[in-house]
Amino acid sequence: QKEVEQNSGPLSVPEGAIASLNCTYSDRGSQSFFWYRQYSGKSPELIMFIYSNGDKEDGRFTAQLNKASQYVSLLIRDSQPSDSATYLCAAFTGTASKLTFGTGTRLQVTL
Amino acid sequence: DTEVTQTPKHLVMGMTNKKSLKCEQHMGHRAMYWYKQKAKKPPELMFVYSYEKLSINESVPSRFSPECPNSSLLNLHLHALQPEDSALYLCASSPIGDTQYFGPGTRLTVL
Repeated sequence: QKEVEQNSGPLSVPEGAIASLNCTYSDRGSQSFFWYRQYSGKSPELIMFIYSNGDKEDGRFTAQLNKASQYVSLLIRDSQPSDSATYLCAAFTGTASKLTFGTGTRLQVTL
Repeated sequence: DTEVTQTPKHLVMGMTNKKSLKCEQHMGHRAMYWYKQKAKKPPELMFVYSYEKLSINESVPSRFSPECPNSSLLNLHLHALQPEDSALYLCASSPIGDTQYFGPGTRLTVL
C-alpha cells in the first residue's frame, strides 16, 4: 500500500510564528508533491506544488522536498488566524496516474 | 483562471431517487476527476477521465455512473444510493494529470 503520512494534529502555533507541517511518503516513484489547504466544510485549495529537491517559496509559504528521505514539508511564515485549516499533503505517481493524499494536519493559529 | 464549477451546492435525495451532479471547467484541462470525501478524511478517488475517456474506476459501486459529454463537462449520475453515500463530492480538473484543481463540491445527503 503506497502511503502518504501526516501527523493529524492539531498543530497549534501563535499568530506571527512559523508553522511547520510535515509529510512522508512511501512510494519512491512519486514524482510531484502538492499541498492543499481545506477549510472546514469547503473544498481543497491548491497552495503549493514542488517537483525537485530543495525549497520553493511563494509569499509566506515555502515547500521543501527531500526525495532521499521521502519527506515533504510546508512552512508558513507569519502565521495568521486565517491560516487555521487542515493541510493535505499529496503525492503524484505517474505509473498510477493519481494523487495519493495524506490524512491531513489540522493547524490552529492562536491569537 | 483555475475555476472549476459544480452544481448543485447541496443535494438531498431519497434512496429511490435518481439525480445528477454536474462539473464544468473552461481551462482546457484534459483530465477530470470525481472524488468522494467524508468528514475528517482525505478525498477518495472515484473516477478519472482523460481526454474524455474513462481511464480509472476505483471499483466504485454501479449506483454511481460517470459521464463525460465533452472536454469541459463531467457528470455523476446517482441512483439507488445508500445513506452511507452521504458525503462531499468533489470534481477536479488537471492540465496534465498531476496538478489538480478542485471545484467547490456538492454536499450530498441520502435519506
